[in-house]
Amino acid sequence: GAGVSQTPSNKVTEKGKYVELRCDPISGHTALYWYRQSLGQGPEFLIYFQGTGAADDSGLPNDRFFAVRPEGSVSTLKIQRTERGDSAMYLCASSLTGDRPPFFGQGTRLTVV
Amino acid sequence: LAKTTQPISMDSYEGQEVNITCSHNNIATNDYITWYQQFPSQGPRFIIQGYKTKVTNEVASLFIPADRKSSTLSLPRVSLSDTAVYYCLVGDQLSGNTPLVFGKGTRLSVIA
Repeated sequence: GAGVSQTPSNKVTEKGKYVELRCDPISGHTALYWYRQSLGQGPEFLIYFQGTGAADDSGLPNDRFFAVRPEGSVSTLKIQRTERGDSAMYLCASSLTGDRPPFFGQGTRLTVV
Repeated sequence: LAKTTQPISMDSYEGQEVNITCSHNNIATNDYITWYQQFPSQGPRFIIQGYKTKVTNEVASLFIPADRKSSTLSLPRVSLSDTAVYYCLVGDQLSGNTPLVFGKGTRLSVIA
């Protein structure tokens, strides 16, 4: 596709449920990033993939959060036992290589009720 | 990672030039300076990136003094559609192993 695509655009889930957020990066981009953004704050780094492997997962807040990128393209962010504090905009970005500024998708707004 | 400081908000009238300055006193040798723009409910959009002196593209200019401890994003003749949050980021782009870290940004309001 022309840009980074994230699905769904909106997700409402009940506290305690499991959710998956999908990111389709720009074709050919090897680097992929996940960020989380709360209202009024800047995006907060979660995890960075170079190819299939997580090069830096230091931003994941706890072990309820996990992300995969099995074939080096599409990535899925998985959140177990969701909590109301997980409500935020989840942003995915990709870049051709890790030394280029990334392009962001439109985000998935997650609401935990 | 070098920390950045930028004004929380700025106001400007349409047609004026807007300069947003960012301080990054602890910038490292391999760090580049990158600016993003973000509209409500959208992902950040890359504006410009530089290492030293001046960089210009069709959207903005980026001025970086010799000591690189600050940088200024210049938006020529802003319009209402430039109302957005602008983020200054500093990071090691050469190694390709360090993701960009966002601060709170500068909320620019353009008034008719």
